[in-house]
Order: sequence, then structure tokens, then C-alpha cells
Amino acid sequence: DVVMTQSPLSLPVTLGQPASISCRSSQSLVYSDGNTYLNWFQQRPGQSPRRLIYKVSNRDSGVPDRFSGSGSGTDFTLKISRVEAEDVGVYYCMQGTHWPPMTFGQGTKVEIK
Amino acid sequence: QVQLVESGGGVVQPGRSLRLSCAASGFTFSSYGMHWVRQAPGKGLEWVAVIWYDGSNKYYADSVKGRFTISRDNSKNTLYLQMNSLRAEDTAVYYCAKWDGTAVWGQGTTVTVSS
Repeated sequence: DVVMTQSPLSLPVTLGQPASISCRSSQSLVYSDGNTYLNWFQQRPGQSPRRLIYKVSNRDSGVPDRFSGSGSGTDFTLKISRVEAEDVGVYYCMQGTHWPPMTFGQGTKVEIK
Repeated sequence: QVQLVESGGGVVQPGRSLRLSCAASGFTFSSYGMHWVRQAPGKGLEWVAVIWYDGSNKYYADSVKGRFTISRDNSKNTLYLQMNSLRAEDTAVYYCAKWDGTAVWGQGTTVTVSS
């Protein structure tokens, strides 16, 4: 199984400041079709998860443009350009290239300092 | 609007069975693969199973293989998860989700396995 490793696991941030979450996979996530199936999900407290980013860098509809995804191969990053209060929650990366099973990272908890 | 609504959760004894349902609306259910994902209390997300748009293929996490069965009824726009031989470690919130195209998650249904 592909292991997804996120860092940090806890991220205290100041409102208005940038934040960055790293996700590394145990093998390349490039699929035979040339796509890289790496997604980012946000789970706000008490809510269901919501996908923010698909295929590394594509924002889902309605996702603010302060969220961006980047990376390639085995190293990926989710960036929040200016953290807002509504961004508090847990963020997960997930690979959909080598499955079953699809695998999630451990989650990174973003909180306001 | 696009919506998924799970039901069927509850408290069940170890070794017993439970069937979860997920009612879909607002999109052409029969055109999309569907997933079940679970989250144990205070833990992260764990992918459980996927079923092809037409039910022709199904895949499972090793932790549930042989005990859980994913199925769907496209005439009823409903996804199911039959859970047999339940264990304490199956205690979790179970979400149904669609990831192809517009991503949607349900609100989740809680399964507690306890004697």
C-alpha cells in the first residue's frame, strides 16, 4: 500500500499569515495516463470532509483562491496564502493512483495562534 | 442541489450485522463511482470501499474485505454497505462520497460496535 506522510501534524498559524502543509508518498503518484491523482481534503470541526484540490493543483468549485496545491512525483504541498478563521480544521492528502486501497495522510490540524 | 444522505447507523453487538444506505440526489447517480470512507473516533480518514458506476467492479480495504459488501441500486439512487461480523474496531462515522467530477460527501452515519 502507498503510505502518505504529512507534516507537520499540528500547525498553529496567525490570522492573515501563510501556511503550508507537506505530503509525501512512499512511491510516485504518476499514473500510466500521465495524471497524478493527489487530492487535498479539509475537515472543519464537526463537519464532513470537503475536497479542496484534485490532481495536485486543481481547485474544486467554490474553493477560495487562497488555497493552492503543488508538487510532483512523491512530494506535494498545500498552501494557504493568508489564513482566515474559517480555515481551522484538519487537512488530509489522499492518493488515488495506486489502489486499492486509496490512502490518506494522517491529517494536519490547523489552528489559530 | 447535489446531496448524499447516509442512514442505518446504530449500536450493534460484536459479530452482528448492519446495513448502511446512502441516498443520492441532484446528480446522475448511475454515471458515477461511489465510495465509503470511515473515521474512527478522534482518528483520521480511512477509505473502505468503491463501486463502479454500474456495479460491475467493487474494491475493498483489507480491513473489511470478506466482511463488508458494497452495492448500489441505480433505480433508487442509493448506495449500500452491508457490514457483517462487526468488530469493535469498525466503530466509526461512515461517509459515502463521490469524487469523480464534483466531489460530494454525506453527513455521515455513526456505527458503534459494543457489547
